[in-house]
Amino acid sequence: DTAVSQTPKYLVTQMGNDKSIKCEQNLGHDTMYWYKQDSKKFLKIMFSYNNKELIINETVPNRFSPKSPDKAHLNLHINSLELGDSAVYFCASSQNQWPGAFFGQGTRLTVV
Amino acid sequence: KQEVTQIPAALSVPEGENLVLNCSFTDSAIYNLQWFRQDPGKGLTSLLLIQSSQREQTSGRLNASLDKSSGRSTLYIAASQPGDSATYLCAVTMNRDDKIIFGKGTRLHILP
Repeated sequence: DTAVSQTPKYLVTQMGNDKSIKCEQNLGHDTMYWYKQDSKKFLKIMFSYNNKELIINETVPNRFSPKSPDKAHLNLHINSLELGDSAVYFCASSQNQWPGAFFGQGTRLTVV
Repeated sequence: KQEVTQIPAALSVPEGENLVLNCSFTDSAIYNLQWFRQDPGKGLTSLLLIQSSQREQTSGRLNASLDKSSGRSTLYIAASQPGDSATYLCAVTMNRDDKIIFGKGTRLHILP
């Protein structure tokens, strides 16, 4: 059973488009995260939601907007995609504190 | 299947001491290894990243080493401070699929 699932796994799109990446966790966790892995494979947090409430909002462009319809879902919507948005995006969930956080397999976004 | 183990699970040391956190992994086909810290209720903060071709990385009071052949990494913290109290996690990125696999972390408490 997949604990944290992201869709799609691969996404290739043109500059200027709007796209969404979906994330779902079936672990009953109350906290979900979005991370961006840059070209050097360094992982950086973007957003965190706890019980549907935004608690971490790092400095990312306003074109990125997370949406949490319920505790089990945290979707990432990106407007006006740019070349520099190309990266692997990871969703994760945890119950309040580590340990116990689980990561999804990642979504490789390529903007052309 | 890659497994990442961190020992000890928890550690308390007096302020000012130097300390070493250990991480081991079973599959040496890694792209890189990262060390993170997590503070209660927050996401991960990247500390150091070591590429598979490197032996160590240093940042301030932190030094991380990597011995890929033996499947080991250490995080050395010099002159520990109360602000270093957090959970420290190591994670490996696999070559083949960008999957990131985390250890369960070491909960560090620096005693004032």
